Amino acid sequence: NAGVTQTPKFQVLKTGQSMTLQCAQDMNHNSMYWYRQDPGMGLRLIYYSASEGTTDKGEVPNGYNVSRLNKREFSLRLESAAPSQTSVYFCASTPSRGNSPLHFGNGTRLTVT
Amino acid sequence: RKEVEQDPGPFNVPEGATVAFNCTYSNSASQSFFWYRQDCRKEPKLLMSVYSSGNEDGRFTAQLNRASQYISLLIRDSKLSDSATYLCVVNIDNYGQNFVFGPGTRLSVLP
Repeated sequence: NAGVTQTPKFQVLKTGQSMTLQCAQDMNHNSMYWYRQDPGMGLRLIYYSASEGTTDKGEVPNGYNVSRLNKREFSLRLESAAPSQTSVYFCASTPSRGNSPLHFGNGTRLTVT
Repeated sequence: RKEVEQDPGPFNVPEGATVAFNCTYSNSASQSFFWYRQDCRKEPKLLMSVYSSGNEDGRFTAQLNRASQYISLLIRDSKLSDSATYLCVVNIDNYGQNFVFGPGTRLSVLP
């Protein structure tokens, strides 16, 4: 049982390049999330998807787009990368019922030069 | 006031010590509560959920005080492997929409 899988693990982009971070979960969870974590800032929510077919902005959505491709997959796209998007990105999922915690992927370390 | 606040840390303790972390939350409608640990450059991992009656898992004890809006985590007989950052996480509703993370408290257990 893989849980939450993120790809790639590492990426270096030049300013202006685009890329898509992939996330898939095999736990049949309804809700999926994208967070970024910067030193001293804690985890900040970029976008989330409460269920298949829905997406909503979080605290820091500017410069990102998302797609909830199906129940398993939730991708994050940077259309024109900026140095301010250098960060560690975590995908997470939860059943979204009752007292259910978040389950995290291993993270993607992105550097934009 | 931040929604979730934690002891600023870092905490440096010797092996075998007992250490307690505190976390306060501002939204009285908060529904569920968790402690995560995060090792350097790794993803957060669930340590334990926090229940109203308090709960224990081995050396770890979590308490919830809804009236005062705080959560605590007690680690007894600390091990070197307990060195990590401990994150307090609060869910505002039970539909998974609104998890709020504290900034974390760094713990270093020293030999």
